[in-house]
Amino acid sequence: AQTVTQSQPEMSVQEAETVTLSCTYDTSENNYYLFWYKQPPSRQMILVIRQEAYKQQNATENRFSVNFQKAAKSFSLKISDSQLGDTAMYFCAFMKQKRADGLTFGKGTHLIIQP
Amino acid sequence: EAGVVQSPRYKIIEKKQPVAFWCNPISGHNTLYWYLQNLGQGPELLIRYENEEAVDDSQLPKDRFSAERLKGVDSTLKIQPAELGDSAVYLCASSLETGNTQYFGPGTRLTVL
Repeated sequence: AQTVTQSQPEMSVQEAETVTLSCTYDTSENNYYLFWYKQPPSRQMILVIRQEAYKQQNATENRFSVNFQKAAKSFSLKISDSQLGDTAMYFCAFMKQKRADGLTFGKGTHLIIQP
Repeated sequence: EAGVVQSPRYKIIEKKQPVAFWCNPISGHNTLYWYLQNLGQGPELLIRYENEEAVDDSQLPKDRFSAERLKGVDSTLKIQPAELGDSAVYLCASSLETGNTQYFGPGTRLTVL
């Protein structure tokens, strides 16, 4: 079974600062996907970024980028130039590549962007 | 393109009553998921459908929970009878096929009194 650990229950930064959310996972699989989802108070789970484990290059999406360390089983999310609208719960998630069993989520990090 | 649609958004019932949640996935998505999200936790998979077939329901409490996906499109998740501990958010997600990115609906917040 896979496990996903997010060790930061809550983080708070000032607007325009850069913030990094940490995520570690445990798996015996070699091929898998990793995701970061954002969940604002509206509860809509929104995909932020996706990483395929076979790709060495870190995924980026505008202000969002990841630091994927496969050997260390680490998958952190960096948000640059943070904005008030980035305030939300952020969930790290794991999915097997073969016979996907659904997503395995961490407990989430509540990110607060202060004006 | 319309996203995943769920209804109702909120539901309040008394314990021992039945309740049902409805999900309409993104058009063309043949894989559908139901997740349970307790307060302060990440979602947990309840059941996964590939078209109309439930291919992973190992986490679904079958004594009181049931689900169906007729014709491989819309899906309904039912609880009968509901218990206090069922109070949570029920999320539906869909993907083009198993292994692809999942897109989530807004969820249904259930409160059991």
